[in-house]
Amino acid sequence: AQSVTQLDSQVPVFEEAPVELRCNYSSSVSVYLFWYVQYPNQGLQLLLKYLSGSTLVKGINGFEAEFNKSQTSFHLRKPSVHISDTAEYFCAVTPGAGRRALTFGSGTRLQVQP
Amino acid sequence: ETGVTQSPTHLIKTRGQQVTLRCSSQSGHNTVSWYQQALGQGPQFIFQYYREEENGRGNFPPRFSGLQFPNYSSELNVNALELDDSALYLCASSFGQESTEAFFGQGTRLTVV
Repeated sequence: AQSVTQLDSQVPVFEEAPVELRCNYSSSVSVYLFWYVQYPNQGLQLLLKYLSGSTLVKGINGFEAEFNKSQTSFHLRKPSVHISDTAEYFCAVTPGAGRRALTFGSGTRLQVQP
Repeated sequence: ETGVTQSPTHLIKTRGQQVTLRCSSQSGHNTVSWYQQALGQGPQFIFQYYREEENGRGNFPPRFSGLQFPNYSSELNVNALELDDSALYLCASSFGQESTEAFFGQGTRLTVV
């Protein structure tokens, strides 16, 4: 079984400032890692994913994440946020083999202030 | 190419009733997964259907059931509704049960009163 911990439930940040949203996971098997974004009253949109290879993954909207196997972390970063980045962000894992059932964290609310 | 569509977008049901939620998968996708997202929480996996067969289930009671049709659209049925079933229900489609590209619909907001 897998579990995901998102360490911050809310992250307030000013526009154009950098941001990091933290994610730690636990699993007894190898996993694939994902970050999703959810805007109000909408479904989930994939930001980026780590399957294998380079531990630095670049996604849409200027976001990137770094996989750290020794620390079992997959933190999401953006060097300069915009008001439009205000949303809920979810980290998720799925087993590296077999059926893909995503296990999500509880989410981090990113609130970008002018 | 159409995306994943869910219907209805909102509905209100009374405790004890039954509800059916619908999902049309993205064109070409043969796998549908359902998730429940309670307020303020991350989505939780309910079950997955692959080529009309249930292909894995999360920690949900049997009163949560589903179907997948030959056109790969899907239904989620919940019997004997409880207040705690109030949530956003999300459908995700993908091509193949091992795909890492799941596309989510906008969800159905179910309120049980």
